[in-house]
Amino acid sequence: GENVEQHPSTLSVQEGDSAVIKCTYSDSASNYFPWYKQELGKGPQLIIDIRSNVGEKKDQRIAVTLNKTAKHFSLHITETQPEDSAVYFCAASPWGDKIIFGKGTRLHILP
Amino acid sequence: EPEVTQTPSHQVTQMGQEVILRCVPISNHLYFYWYRQILGQKVEFLVSFYNNEISEKSEIFDDQFSVERPDGSNFTLKIRSTKLEDSAMYFCASSRKTGTARKSCSFGPGTRLTVT
Repeated sequence: GENVEQHPSTLSVQEGDSAVIKCTYSDSASNYFPWYKQELGKGPQLIIDIRSNVGEKKDQRIAVTLNKTAKHFSLHITETQPEDSAVYFCAASPWGDKIIFGKGTRLHILP
Repeated sequence: EPEVTQTPSHQVTQMGQEVILRCVPISNHLYFYWYRQILGQKVEFLVSFYNNEISEKSEIFDDQFSVERPDGSNFTLKIRSTKLEDSAMYFCASSRKTGTARKSCSFGPGTRLTVT
């Protein structure tokens, strides 16, 4: 079955700098790649997603890239702000309903 | 903005007891899901539910688990005889879209289940 690996597990960046989180997946049938942000005491919140027929997608300060050949996808956050501090999950979904999550990256934005 | 709600936020139960975790999905949503996250581990898919029946379930979702949408608004997860390893955060999610877009789901805040 699908397996999603996520790196790093913890990331600290200076406010205003960029943050990059990288993921790999194993199942070439995966065609949907969502990213979630989880703040303390809340459930995962979908922040951006990308489908396998697209290589890049951007929404304001957030961008995702997908390399289907290498089975890599990544999240880029530019001009980081204190409210970006959270746990971020990448995920992949092959056929069916299930989403396979990565283990999460705890992002700290340093003042 | 409408949100998925879950009750209780924390449930403590003794091993062998039955628990029911409750969720109120967003009102015009069609697909419903349960996921769980054991402390320090990945969020894992349990089950999806559409048109009043289970659409897909994982190998975790064995005979001890069941789901129900009893009244058109609530969506429940029942664990018949809890085990220590059922201790986890349980997330409900829902989606109003169909096709591949159904996977763009909204998650609730979770219920932390502690089995002692």
